[in-house]
Amino acid sequence: NAGVTQTPKFRILKIGQSMTLQCTQDMNHNYMYWYRQDPGMGLKLIYYSVGAGITDKGEVPNGYNVSRSTTEDFPLRLELAAPSQTSVYFCASSYTRDRVETQYFGPGTRLLVL
Amino acid sequence: GQNIDQPTEMTATEGAIVQINCTYQTSGFNGLFWYQQHAGEAPTFLSYNVLDGLEEKGRFSSFLSRSKGYSYLLLKELQMKDSASYLCAVIDSNYQLIWGAGTKLIIKP
Repeated sequence: NAGVTQTPKFRILKIGQSMTLQCTQDMNHNYMYWYRQDPGMGLKLIYYSVGAGITDKGEVPNGYNVSRSTTEDFPLRLELAAPSQTSVYFCASSYTRDRVETQYFGPGTRLLVL
Repeated sequence: GQNIDQPTEMTATEGAIVQINCTYQTSGFNGLFWYQQHAGEAPTFLSYNVLDGLEEKGRFSSFLSRSKGYSYLLLKELQMKDSASYLCAVIDSNYQLIWGAGTKLIIKP
C-alpha cells in the first residue's frame, strides 16, 4: 500500500493563478481531510469528506474548493491564489471518524504564492 | 472558543527524560491524540487517550486527566532521532480534531 499520496511536492504560484492539489489514498478509507499548516502553527482543517459525493467545510474553507467523485481521490482547488495561502498542505484519511481511529497523513505539498 | 496550549519549544539531553504538557478547553471531549512531526514531514500517530490515566508504549507514555483538561507526553531514554515537533490534538463533541501548535523538542548530545 502506498498510503496517502500527494502531488505536487512543491509549487510556486503567482498571485491570481489557480491550481489543484492532488490527494489519493489506497486504504479504502471513507473519510478524507485537507489541512494547512503555517510555520509554527497547528493544523487547520480546510475541508473534509465523509465519502464519495459528500464534502463539508472545515475551519478555514475560504479560497478553496474540493470534490470527491471517488473513494480514493480528494483534490483541493485553489482559485485566485493569494499570498495568505502560502502554507504546507496536508491531506489525510481515516476509515471512520470514530474516536479510536487515527488519521494517516500524506507527505504534504509546499505552496508559495508570490 | 476552543483552545489547546502547549509549550512552543523544549530542550533536553540525550538519554534523559522529558515531559511535554498539553492543556485544552474544547466544546466536548472524545479523546486526545499525540502526533510526532519531524521537520519537513507529515505528522505520524504516537498515542491516543480517552480515559484518565497513563498509557505506556515503549519509551513513550501519555497521560490524561479529563477533569483538569490536561495531558502530557513522557519520553524516556531520549535519542537524537526524537528531535521533532509533538502535536497534541483533541476530538471535540462534533468529532472534529482540534490541533495544538506543537512543541518543538530539541535533543542535545
